[in-house]
Amino acid sequence: RKEVEQDPGPFNVPEGATVAFNCTYSNSASQSFFWYRQDCRKEPKLLMSVYSSGNEDGRFTAQLNRASQYISLLIRDSKLSDSATYLCVVNMGSTGTASKLTFGTGTRLQVTL
Amino acid sequence: DVKVTQSSRYLVKRTGEKVFLECVQDMDHENMFWYRQDPGLGLRLIYFSYDVKMKEKGDIPEGYSVSREKKERFSLILESASTNQTSMYLCASFTGNYGYTFGSGTRLTVV
Repeated sequence: RKEVEQDPGPFNVPEGATVAFNCTYSNSASQSFFWYRQDCRKEPKLLMSVYSSGNEDGRFTAQLNRASQYISLLIRDSKLSDSATYLCVVNMGSTGTASKLTFGTGTRLQVTL
Repeated sequence: DVKVTQSSRYLVKRTGEKVFLECVQDMDHENMFWYRQDPGLGLRLIYFSYDVKMKEKGDIPEGYSVSREKKERFSLILESASTNQTSMYLCASFTGNYGYTFGSGTRLTVV
């Protein structure tokens, strides 16, 4: 089983739609969680951290379910500019003093007119 | 904002060459990382460093080495480049609650 698993997609949705991505992780001791966005041929960039209580940033809502070991990202009112690959990222704990993040392979979103 | 700079966006090297990929961060962070990214495989950790002269192997260290002589600079070395090392290489600096900041990546082609 992969440490962080995501549906690769692609998710093809029309503008204005609501779309949700899920991600599961294997290590129950994982400490922190993130969603990154990666545009084609560019580096990943932090979209949002994911907190136990859930958090929202504009049209984006992230949720964490520790009992079931999954993280979700909801995008409301999709825009063409949301088209990208969304990476689920988990900090599975420290090794020495370095915090090592483990990345899912990403879910590709294509928003169309 | 943290800035992570990778010295080259695109590189073409010949098989057997020794290749140096340079990464510099400007925020005095202790933790730095090198990943490679390949289609369908996602980001895979090659090496990381949590202090000057300190390094640890990641998940795929074979064929690579690293150097961290100064805190701001973390170099990835391909001792003898091979075609299966053709990839996108990403350097990152750990920013705590904000996860990683990545450099813009180096797309290496080994011919």
